Amino acid sequence: ELKVEQNPLFLSMQEGKNYTIYCNYSTTSDRLYWYRQDPGKSLESLFVLLSNGAVKQEGRLMASLDTKARLSTLHITAAVHDLSATYFCAGGGDAGNMLTFGGGTRLMVKP
Amino acid sequence: DTGVSQDPRHKITKRGQNVTFRCDPISEHNRLYWYRQTLGQGPEFLTYFQNEAQLEKSRLLSDRFSAERPKGSFSTLEIQRTEQGDSAMYLCATSGDTDTQYFGPGTRLTVL
Repeated sequence: ELKVEQNPLFLSMQEGKNYTIYCNYSTTSDRLYWYRQDPGKSLESLFVLLSNGAVKQEGRLMASLDTKARLSTLHITAAVHDLSATYFCAGGGDAGNMLTFGGGTRLMVKP
Repeated sequence: DTGVSQDPRHKITKRGQNVTFRCDPISEHNRLYWYRQTLGQGPEFLTYFQNEAQLEKSRLLSDRFSAERPKGSFSTLEIQRTEQGDSAMYLCATSGDTDTQYFGPGTRLTVL
């Protein structure tokens, strides 16, 4: 059974700083997803990573996947307040592509 | 707005009552998923449909939970004899030809 762990669980950072969120998963997962959730809202898809070495970037966020290490990272560059949210990674790819989510990383960016 | 809609957005009920939630997917999305999210946790998979066929239901939390997708379009999730532990956000997600699951706004259930 796939297990997904994220760290840190909570991250407070200053605007303009860089940081990385880590997502470890326990067994082979064909697909790795990153979602964003604002308080009281649903989940917004950020990235889908499908293969070893995959790297995707959107604005100040960059996600990568290392299937050998069973590790995905979400790197934040020059953080801004608007990035404050909870970020989830999720593994999928089995029959039906049911997603197994990590516990989330609550990011707070301070001015 | 992803195009996935859920109704109602909020539901308050008394313990022991039955509740039903509805999810309308993005048109032409053949896969539909239900998840439950409790406060401070990531979503937890419950069940999924490929068109009208329910292909995985072993993760439904108890036999009080059931789901249908009768015509392969909208879906309903029913909880019978609700308990306080059922209080959570119930999320619907759908996907089509790509691997991305698009989530609806969720139904927040409070059981008193």
